[in-house]
Amino acid sequence: DTAVSQTPKYLVTQMGNDKSIKCEQNLGHDTMYWYKQDSKKFLKIMFSYNNKELIINETVPNRFSPKSPDKAHLNLHINSLELGDSAVYFCASSQSDRDSYGYTFGSGTRLTVV
Amino acid sequence: GQQLNQSPQSMFIQEGEDVSMNCTSSSIFNTWLWYKQDPGEGPVLLIALYKAGELTSNGRLTAQFGITRKDSFLNISASIPSDVGIYFCAGPRAGNTGKLIFGQGTTLQVKP
Repeated sequence: DTAVSQTPKYLVTQMGNDKSIKCEQNLGHDTMYWYKQDSKKFLKIMFSYNNKELIINETVPNRFSPKSPDKAHLNLHINSLELGDSAVYFCASSQSDRDSYGYTFGSGTRLTVV
Repeated sequence: GQQLNQSPQSMFIQEGEDVSMNCTSSSIFNTWLWYKQDPGEGPVLLIALYKAGELTSNGRLTAQFGITRKDSFLNISASIPSDVGIYFCAGPRAGNTGKLIFGQGTTLQVKP
């Protein structure tokens, strides 16, 4: 059973399109995250939700809108895609927003904007 | 803001060799975490350190939490081809322990 699952694994789309990435966790965790990994492999947090409530928004452009219908799901919608949005996006979860035990990551969604 | 600096950036070693990498910060961290990312996968937690001076092992991996709380190192003994990947250090950002910041990663390649 996959703990944190993301779909799709690969996403190739044209500039200007709108796309969504879905994430689900079956660990019973309260907190979920979106991270972006750039071409240099640097991991940077984008958003964090705790029990469906947004608690971190790291100065991400408004074109990125996370949605958490319940605490097991955190989706990422991106409007008007730009070339610079090409990256690998990782969903992760942790027991709580005070959890120092580390995250469980999904396997990533590689987004390529052409 | 808080930053974690990892070195070396990349390593290319022969199978069987020991590997050492480290992570430093100008800020104090109360927790140090080491993750490994296999190609095409997400990072997976290897070792977690919670106390200054702590030395923890996980199989062939050993990690230490620096006394100053501003550094940590990870050693891999007798490397094997499946050790290939990117190793990240991470720590919770000051003010909220749930939010992790990551180092830039050390890419390890092992020649059989």
